Amino acid sequence: DTGVSQNPRHKITKRGQNVTFRCDPISEHNRLYWYRQTLGQGPEFLTYFQNEAQLEKSRLLSDRFSAERPKGSFSTLEIQRTEQGDSAMYLCASSFRQQTEAFFGQGTRLTVV
Amino acid sequence: GEDVEQSLFLSVREGDSSVINCTYTDSSSTYLYWYKQEPGAGLQLLTYIFSNMDMKQDQRLTVLLNKKDKHLSLRIADTQTGDSAIYFCAESADNAGNMLTFGGGTRLMVKP
Repeated sequence: DTGVSQNPRHKITKRGQNVTFRCDPISEHNRLYWYRQTLGQGPEFLTYFQNEAQLEKSRLLSDRFSAERPKGSFSTLEIQRTEQGDSAMYLCASSFRQQTEAFFGQGTRLTVV
Repeated sequence: GEDVEQSLFLSVREGDSSVINCTYTDSSSTYLYWYKQEPGAGLQLLTYIFSNMDMKQDQRLTVLLNKKDKHLSLRIADTQTGDSAIYFCAESADNAGNMLTFGGGTRLMVKP
């Protein structure tokens, strides 16, 4: 499968725990994006990378959220001290340079209990 | 800030045309997109239109853009049961779709 891959697909965690999600973009895609989608809503932009540089992070929901893309390939999104309101689908997408099409992964569904 | 609005629900009969509407507020929108989301699946880009275009047709899909009214529509001709899904309108103000602003989605139900 050469699409955007996200792991895990599902994560259940207790409130207060830290969680980390991984996204593997399509090979050679230099742009990578993270979105959050809550039930019944459209995706909400969080942050994006061009290669290893994080070019926009002001939309991250709080300082508990952070993302990395250390070698310009896969990326991780970490949520510290999870809260019930963090329960959502976390989507990753990638695109190639200036192309307009961003390809989305199937997402990681987080449930905080 | 940017805002994208869509109606929540649309029901049509198989074989009819479906028209899904969207309004947006950001006058600097450069590209406008339609995505499809089926249960348990990721978002699939259906089509997009550049802001200097009025219409784009791609097989059964027709996108109409009224930039003056900031209104976008997606028409699906000969709607099939496999078209049942949630359709999202999205806009971006740059030329690479980096920061998409999505609407809340329109659930399309196609009755046989």
